[in-house]
Amino acid sequence: DIQMTQSPSSLSASVGDRVNITCRASQTVSRYLNWYQQKPGKAPMLLIYTASSLQSGVPSRFSGSGSGTDFTLTISNLQPEDFAIYYCQHSHSAPRSITFGFGQGTRLEIK
Amino acid sequence: QLQLQESGPGLVKPSETLSLTCTVSGGSISSSIYYWDWIRQPPGKGLEWIASIYYTAYTYNNPSLKSRVTISVDTSKNQFSLKLSSVTAADTAVYYCARRHYYDSINAFDIWGQGTMVTVSS
Repeated sequence: DIQMTQSPSSLSASVGDRVNITCRASQTVSRYLNWYQQKPGKAPMLLIYTASSLQSGVPSRFSGSGSGTDFTLTISNLQPEDFAIYYCQHSHSAPRSITFGFGQGTRLEIK
Repeated sequence: QLQLQESGPGLVKPSETLSLTCTVSGGSISSSIYYWDWIRQPPGKGLEWIASIYYTAYTYNNPSLKSRVTISVDTSKNQFSLKLSSVTAADTAVYYCARRHYYDSINAFDIWGQGTMVTVSS
């Protein structure tokens, strides 16, 4: 199994700050890495797919980068609505099988 | 606007079978570029992928749950369903259904249901 490790586990920041959240895979996932935002009591929402493509309707202050095993989600000019938990997700394909895994999450809190 | 809605019992007894249905509205489940998935989240914890189905009934399961999971699709009702057998307290979670865009290997869950809480308890 491919393990996804996010860092930090939690992060405090202020409105207007720029923050980076990283996700490291235990083996290469090429560019098949997606990012989600989850607010309390709500379903996750797709932000970034294939490492750096912005999902339709997501503000441009969100961006993603990386490939192979190391990925970064960057949020520029933090807004009050951005304080949430962020998850990375990979996909791993093999003949006649596919699996998906999520990182443990990064909680972004207001300072 | 396509929407997903989970339905099913909120309380299941240990050793019994958990059964949930996801109804797709505002679009067809018989789309060539999407799979339909179940994902769960225990209280206060992270996300776990459970299983996936294509409209032709081709399926993928999480190996850690494989022997207990059955996923099915009913294209006439625009629904897909999950059955998880021999449940224990560890299966207590919010269960989400989601649409997965798989074209070009994107494999991103781009639309989610609101989630339904299932508690396993006697």
